[in-house]
Amino acid sequence: GAGVSQSPRYKVAKRGQDVALRCDPISGHVSLFWYQQALGQGPEFLTYFQNEAQLDKSGLPSDRFFAERPEGSVSTLKIQRTQQEDSAVYLCASSWVSEGQGVPPEKRRKETQYFGPGTRLLVL
Amino acid sequence: RKEVEQDPGPFNVPEGATVAFNCTYSNSASQSFFWYRQDCRKEPKLLMSVYSSGNEDGRFTAQLNRASQYISLLIRDSKLSDSATYLCVVNRRGNYGGSQGNLIFGKGTKLSVKP
Repeated sequence: GAGVSQSPRYKVAKRGQDVALRCDPISGHVSLFWYQQALGQGPEFLTYFQNEAQLDKSGLPSDRFFAERPEGSVSTLKIQRTQQEDSAVYLCASSWVSEGQGVPPEKRRKETQYFGPGTRLLVL
Repeated sequence: RKEVEQDPGPFNVPEGATVAFNCTYSNSASQSFFWYRQDCRKEPKLLMSVYSSGNEDGRFTAQLNRASQYISLLIRDSKLSDSATYLCVVNRRGNYGGSQGNLIFGKGTKLSVKP
């Protein structure tokens, strides 16, 4: 089946420009995560949605970053007034599992996060 | 100090070699542990989860030592196709529950397997 898709795959922006990055999660996946991966680093968490609710935005680096998932499926990450330090790959991941402490072993595969190919953002 | 620390690498090994990756994590409340693989300019993909009892999947063996907060990955009989960056990952269980939560990644260790 179709995996997580992201668009655009590449984006070049001038400093100060606003950008919008789109994520289409796997159909039926409840949880959606955004990560930022700088060159030579591991991905870093930005924000998390459970359906349409943004439950954790502790990783967003500044108030220039905004994410939404209004209908609980497609999500958009918006960066206002882009800066050079925003240059990175923005990864979206989705998983099936939602609530529940202690997911039993038979459901653990459903907690796996599947990543999209990412949007490579370059701010000049 | 980063929450997840890995060998800086890179590792350059011949085909057939055994390679070991080491990782430490600082948050004792971490609940779940994983190794992800990331090919150049591609997204991370789950290689294997790591369980307290240790687990094996073919040529890959993962170990977890909660007391030492240490995770390892062993690759035996390495293949050219194993060349990639290996990311050590722990979860941070948020207030919203869920077993995996958002993931905390190490910087990654690049492996190059040469013929």
